[in-house]
Amino acid sequence: DAGITQSPRYKITETGRQVTLMCHQTWSHSYMFWYRQDLGHGLRLIYYSAAADITDKGEVPDGYVVSRSKTENFPLTLESATRSQTSVYFCASSESNSGRYEQYFGPGTRLTVT
Amino acid sequence: GQSLEQPSEVTAVEGAIVQINCTYQTSGFYGLSWYQQHDGGAPTFLSYNALDGLEETGRFSSFLSRSDSYGYLLLQELQMKDSASYFCAVRGAHSGNTPLVFGKGTRLSVIA
Repeated sequence: DAGITQSPRYKITETGRQVTLMCHQTWSHSYMFWYRQDLGHGLRLIYYSAAADITDKGEVPDGYVVSRSKTENFPLTLESATRSQTSVYFCASSESNSGRYEQYFGPGTRLTVT
Repeated sequence: GQSLEQPSEVTAVEGAIVQINCTYQTSGFYGLSWYQQHDGGAPTFLSYNALDGLEETGRFSSFLSRSDSYGYLLLQELQMKDSASYFCAVRGAHSGNTPLVFGKGTRLSVIA
């Protein structure tokens, strides 16, 4: 199906484990983003990518790793999960970084770290 | 850096008009956007203002005053389905690759 998808939708993991959240978009958008959403903090940018093999840090990158070997995929890895990383994670994509700058969001992954 | 301020909660009556304000501080400015998010859902784009004035899209309008670093989202003829969180977002730095920064959101409750 066309659009932007995330997997898994729900994940429970233990402290110290590595976990990878997947994001896939079918529009061939250049830009992709990872946000986390916590009560009282709104949407905070973790990492973003302007194109394949180009990534940059956002507001809260510590503890996270990203890669983008293909335009359509932008996985987010928590190298050693901590309870503070319990959150809802949204992936988004955008055709460009100018003009309306409309971002399209995936359905989100609810991650719980125990 | 950039920062945005918007009210945390607003309550309004079905059929009424509500205005959600957003003030921002940025070094440079590329436009103010608004997103809607229903509980359990993903944010969706509503509007974008790059120039001063009012942009209208159906029941929703968005206003920008760059001299005041201020904008608002206006929702008319409120419906129960408009109950959601609304986020303003700005891209304000000088670099063309700088991403959006979102406000913390305003939770709108529409009551009968």
